[in-house]
Amino acid sequence: QVQLQESGPGLVKPSETLSLTCTVSGGSISGHHWSWIRQPPGKGLEWIGYFYYGVTTKYSPSLKSRVTISVDTSKNQFSLKLTSVTAADTAVFYCARGYDSIDYWGQGTLVTVSS
Amino acid sequence: QSALTQPASVSGSPGQSITISCTGTSSDVGAYIYVSWYQQHPDKAPKLMIYEVANRPSGVPDRFSGSKSGNTASLTISGLQAEDEADYYCTSYSATDTPVVFGGGTKLTVL
Repeated sequence: QVQLQESGPGLVKPSETLSLTCTVSGGSISGHHWSWIRQPPGKGLEWIGYFYYGVTTKYSPSLKSRVTISVDTSKNQFSLKLTSVTAADTAVFYCARGYDSIDYWGQGTLVTVSS
Repeated sequence: QSALTQPASVSGSPGQSITISCTGTSSDVGAYIYVSWYQQHPDKAPKLMIYEVANRPSGVPDRFSGSKSGNTASLTISGLQAEDEADYYCTSYSATDTPVVFGGGTKLTVL
């Protein structure tokens, strides 16, 4: 059974960088697409980006200038960095397997942007 | 504003059937079979209910079904149960610079 777990600070100051890590257990990162998705409080889901290890990484055009997704296959982890955050970036962040049909999700982690 | 349009809310009584629509364009829903539906209960991660327009993952009850006509996909839930009350989101692959587009979500209330 594949499991995903997000980790990282729950509070980030405006203008700083949000950093989250997703640890995958029960399966390998290789051979699948992996995504980051966020959900502002009380709002809908927003795709941030996805990667297929060794092949491609794609980002949402609206976030592309501020987002980086990286992978550490030795730890079976992948990470999200979002720079220059504002209050509008406050959301629950999910890591997930897949991108057009996501079969495994992390539990989500709330990141609040506030001074 | 979401790329795919869903009704904000739908409701039905236990045992009834409801349908949630998801309208896109000829660059997403209308062009591909890669339409998925997710169920999200409060404070929970979304759960995949339908993929590739009409396929159910293992464990999803056959009360849930999906279809597509033109630029509009639909999720139908028959024999509504109290546990079906949740938010539902559609997504589609898109031939634009945003390869994954989401609907704004529909809140299903079981009366």
